[in-house]
Amino acid sequence: QVQLVESGGGLVKPGGSLRLSCAASGFTFSDYYMSWIRQAPGKGLEWVSYISSSGSTIYYADSVKGRFTISRDNAKNSLYLQMNSLRAEDTAVYYCARAPHGFLEWFRHWGQGTLVTVSS
Amino acid sequence: DIQMTQSPSTLSASVGDRVTITCRASQSISSWLAWYQQKPGKAPKLLIYKASSLESGVPSRFSGSGSGTEFTLTISSLQPDDFATYYCQQYNSYTWTFGQGTKVEIK
Repeated sequence: QVQLVESGGGLVKPGGSLRLSCAASGFTFSDYYMSWIRQAPGKGLEWVSYISSSGSTIYYADSVKGRFTISRDNAKNSLYLQMNSLRAEDTAVYYCARAPHGFLEWFRHWGQGTLVTVSS
Repeated sequence: DIQMTQSPSTLSASVGDRVTITCRASQSISSWLAWYQQKPGKAPKLLIYKASSLESGVPSRFSGSGSGTEFTLTISSLQPDDFATYYCQQYNSYTWTFGQGTKVEIK
C-alpha cells in the first residue's frame, strides 16, 4: 500500500538550515505530483510547496519563497525540502502528501509528519 | 490569493446529530474543493473531493455539496469516531489553501 515516511526534522536555531526527506513506497513515485504541507502547533494546515512528477514544475507559498527548495529523486523514490534561513514561524509538523493519479487538486495520501522546531 | 473561511470554528454535538460545516471561498473556485478529517497527532484524511465526491472507504454519512464560493460538509448522523477537526481546502492556479478548521466536540 501507499507509504510516505518523512524524516529530517529536529531543533534548529533561527537562521539555520534543515533538509527534510520523504521516502515513498507502494506506488510508482515518478508518476505522481507531490507537495509539502505544514501545521504549526495547535494551528491549521498550510500548503508549502509543490513539485510535478518530473520535477520540472515547482511552486512555493509566499511565506517560504526564496528560503525553501523542493526537489525529488525519482530513482530513489524520494521527495526533499531544503529549508534555509529558518524562522520561529516555520516551527511546524511538515507532511509530504501525494495527489491522486492525474490530479493535483487535492491530497489523497499523507505521511505521518516530521516536527521542525526553530528556537534559540 | 483565495481565502477560505470555515464556520463554525467549534461545534458541539451529540451522537446521532446531523452536523453541517460551511466553507466560503473569497472568489469562485468552481468545484475544486476537498474536505479532510484530522484527529489529534494524526495526518489529515481525505473525505470528499471535487466538492461532492466521496473518497473510497469513507462512510456514506459524510457528504459534500456546493460550487463557486459556498460549500458544505454534512455528517448525517454523527458517530463517536467522527469527533475530530475538519478542514476544507481549495485549489486554484497552483495554489492550495485550507480553511482554519472546525472542531467537532462532544456535547
